[in-house]
Amino acid sequence: DGGITQSPKYLFRKEGQNVTLSCEQNLNHDAMYWYRQDPGQGLRLIYYSQIVNDFQKGDIAEGYSVSREKKESFPLTVTSAQKNPTAFYLCASRATSTDTQYFGPGTRLTVL
Amino acid sequence: GQQVMQIPQYQHVQEGEDFTTYCNSSTTLSNIQWYKQRPGGHPVFLIQLVKSGEVKKQKRLTFQFGEAKKNSSLHITATQTTDVGTYFCAGNSGGYQKVTFGTGTKLQVIP
Repeated sequence: DGGITQSPKYLFRKEGQNVTLSCEQNLNHDAMYWYRQDPGQGLRLIYYSQIVNDFQKGDIAEGYSVSREKKESFPLTVTSAQKNPTAFYLCASRATSTDTQYFGPGTRLTVL
Repeated sequence: GQQVMQIPQYQHVQEGEDFTTYCNSSTTLSNIQWYKQRPGGHPVFLIQLVKSGEVKKQKRLTFQFGEAKKNSSLHITATQTTDVGTYFCAGNSGGYQKVTFGTGTKLQVIP
């Protein structure tokens, strides 16, 4: 069953702690993306990666970090430097030949 | 940088009424996509438009790409409660490896 998985669905952390969100895809897509969505808002790009071992900052990269050691995986770390980390985080992937993005189910992060 | 705006931000319609959302880009787009996000869910791809003036239909949904390739619209005929959700457009200006998502239009259908 192909697709994108994100885990966990809900995540709670204390303020000041780093937290890593998982994103895995078995679609054999080269490009992967992380977006942040706040209530009633659109999608804002955090980081994206076009190929393994390469990634670029999006529009709101401050306080976040990523790695792309494997084609299938693109984990996002929300660091303590992120001032307002509570949000809905969406991971997506895209095949090289198209601009269509396929989204995972998302992780709702709440920082207490 | 590229900006993509959508109007209206919110729309409440009576079931059976039509609905239209408009998408406007600050730059010329190489293509545009439309996504639907159900409440509590994630965006799901609906369609991609590439050609200037292109019109595509999916059952009750009609998508249009402007002649100048800077705007697009999504029209839903005779809305149903299953149409509830937020509709996003996403544009690619070409030469970039990322698309810019619009601000979204949240549709509420009153039964």
